[in-house]
Amino acid sequence: DARVTQTPRHKVTEMGQEVTMRCQPILGHNTVFWYRQTMMQGLELLAYFRNRAPLDDSGMPKDRFSAEMPDATLATLKIQPSEPRDSAVYFCASGLVMGSNQPQHFGDGTRLSIL
Amino acid sequence: QQQVKQSPQSLIVQKGGISIINCAYENTAFDYFPWYQQFPGKGPALLIAIRPDVSEKKEGRFTISFNKSAKQFSLHIMDSQPGDSATYFCAASNFNKFYFGSGTKLNVKP
Repeated sequence: DARVTQTPRHKVTEMGQEVTMRCQPILGHNTVFWYRQTMMQGLELLAYFRNRAPLDDSGMPKDRFSAEMPDATLATLKIQPSEPRDSAVYFCASGLVMGSNQPQHFGDGTRLSIL
Repeated sequence: QQQVKQSPQSLIVQKGGISIINCAYENTAFDYFPWYQQFPGKGPALLIAIRPDVSEKKEGRFTISFNKSAKQFSLHIMDSQPGDSATYFCAASNFNKFYFGSGTKLNVKP
C-alpha cells in the first residue's frame, strides 16, 4: 500500500534553530503539497509543487520558510530561524494530476515544537 | 476569507445513529469535493469524494449529498460506530488546489 512518508515524526528544538522536514511522495505522483495544522487555523496550505516546480507558495511566510523539491522522491520544508509560533503539525500530501482533480494522499505529519 | 465553511465543530452521536456534517462553499469553479477522516496522530485519509455532476454518492455506510444550486454538500454516516470517532474535514478543489473546512470532531458513544 503506497504511502507518503514524512520525517521526522516529532521535532523539539529551541527558538532560532533551523528546522528541516522531509517528505517522500508516493511514487509516480506529480504534485506535492505542504500544509500546517493548528487548532486555531485548521489546515493551511503553505506550498504546492507540480512536476517539482513551485506553483503556489503564497501561504508561506517567505522570510523564514522555504520549500524545495530537489528530486521527484524528496520534498523539503525548512524554517530558519524557527519561532515558537511555528509550533504545529506539518503535513505533506501528494497526488497525481491527470486532467481532472484527483485526491491528495497525506503523510502522518511532523509534530514540531519550538521552545 | 474561508473558502469552505464546515459545521458543526463537534458532534456527539449514539452508536447506531446517523452522523451528519455539513459544508458550504462560494466558488462555483470548484469541481471536486472530497471528505477526509483523521485519527489522532495520523494524517487525514480520503474517505469519499464527489464531483458536481452527481447529487449523491454512497460507499458503504458513508454518503455524500451534493446540492449544486445551494452550493452545499454533506456527509452522512449511517449506523455510526465508536470506531468512526475521528475528525472529519470537507474540502473543495479547483485546478488541484484544495481548500479545507475547519473540521468536525465526531464522538460516537457506545
